[in-house]
Amino acid sequence: RKEVEQDPGPFNVPEGATVAFNCTYSNSASQSFFWYRQDCRKEPKLLMSVYSSGNEDGRFTAQLNRASQYISLLIRDSKLSDSATYLCVVERSNDYKLSFGAGTTVTVRA
Amino acid sequence: SQTIHQWPATLVQPVGSPLSLECTVEGTSNPNLYWYRQAAGRGLQLLFYSVGIGQISSEVPQNLSASRPQDRQFILSSKKLLLSDSGFYLCAWRTTGGAYTIYFGEGSWLTVV
Repeated sequence: RKEVEQDPGPFNVPEGATVAFNCTYSNSASQSFFWYRQDCRKEPKLLMSVYSSGNEDGRFTAQLNRASQYISLLIRDSKLSDSATYLCVVERSNDYKLSFGAGTTVTVRA
Repeated sequence: SQTIHQWPATLVQPVGSPLSLECTVEGTSNPNLYWYRQAAGRGLQLLFYSVGIGQISSEVPQNLSASRPQDRQFILSSKKLLLSDSGFYLCAWRTTGGAYTIYFGEGSWLTVV
């Protein structure tokens, strides 16, 4: 089983729609979680960290469910500029290593 | 503020040729440094990480090597490239304490022909 698994998508949504997707992780001792955004042929960039109580940054909301070992990302009022691949990142128990999911592709259409 | 740079951005190399990708970080000291590879349509694979000068840990066996000759310099090398070495190589850093966010360089596209 992969350490981090994501639905690859693509999620094709119209502008203004809400889109949400999950990421599951296998190591129950994982402590830190992040969502990164990666545009085509570019480096990944931090979108937001994911906190235990859940957190929101503008139109983006991240949730953590430790019991079921998944994190989620919800994008409200989608913009064309939200089209990207979203990478789920999980820290492996403080050993300086991060595990990356293969990414979920979101395409927002006009 | 901290910045990370890696180069070259793009290169095309013949099979069997050597490789050297360089990465430097500015504005921080004693960072943890990483080399990742991303194959087409796949997730990031950790190749090497370093917690200090001369300290290199390898995640997967391969014909690549890494070195950290200075605190903020990380080099990825190969003596003889294989076709399977093609991919997008990313250098990254993170602080050793506090926030664990990882930051990436711009990436290097390697095509082995």
